[in-house]
Amino acid sequence: AQRVTQPEKLLSVFKGAPVELKCNYSYSGSPELFWYVQYSRQRLQLLLRHISRESIKGFTADLNKGETSFHLKKPFAQEEDSAMYYCALSGLGNEKLTFGTGTRLTIIP
Amino acid sequence: GAVVSQHPSWVICKSGTSVKIECRSLDFQATTMFWYRQFPKKSLMLMATSNEGSKATYEQGVEKDKFLINHASLTLSTLTVTSAHPEDSSFYICSAVTGQDISYEQYFGPGTRLTVT
Repeated sequence: AQRVTQPEKLLSVFKGAPVELKCNYSYSGSPELFWYVQYSRQRLQLLLRHISRESIKGFTADLNKGETSFHLKKPFAQEEDSAMYYCALSGLGNEKLTFGTGTRLTIIP
Repeated sequence: GAVVSQHPSWVICKSGTSVKIECRSLDFQATTMFWYRQFPKKSLMLMATSNEGSKATYEQGVEKDKFLINHASLTLSTLTVTSAHPEDSSFYICSAVTGQDISYEQYFGPGTRLTVT
């Protein structure tokens, strides 16, 4: 069975401070990991995926297979980063996504 | 590009009636569509996977006779909640996959709020 765990339901960070949203997963095969974001009154959208190894809006995430983690990081938080963030997993070549419970990030001005 | 719409955005129905929710990919053909249910302050729960022209694949614990899914074309999937009851009240979200992305990025609709009275 595949599982995604986001241990923090709520996270508040001051503007300009570093941000780290934790995500751990459980999957027996080769996983593909994603971060989705939902801004206020907007639909869920893809933020980044590990296969792309890119930085989006200053966010990065590295897949650590040893620790089965895919933490989302940003060195300097901005107010517009306030949103709900979901970590998600799919099997390699599989379209189905398993979502974590989400972390609500609030950036304090 | 890759816009997914849902209709209606919200609906209120009486207990025992059925309600249909549409999910459309507006500017691409969706090989696969997914239906999720989101409970308050909880994650998205995958209900079923819908492939055009074939029967939907339901997740464990989801009643296929209660949540009827039809994927009649590459741009439209419908979810019908039959004989709705108050416990079916929820936020239903669909997503679509283009089939052209090696990582199967899902594009999400805005969701439909269903309230059963």
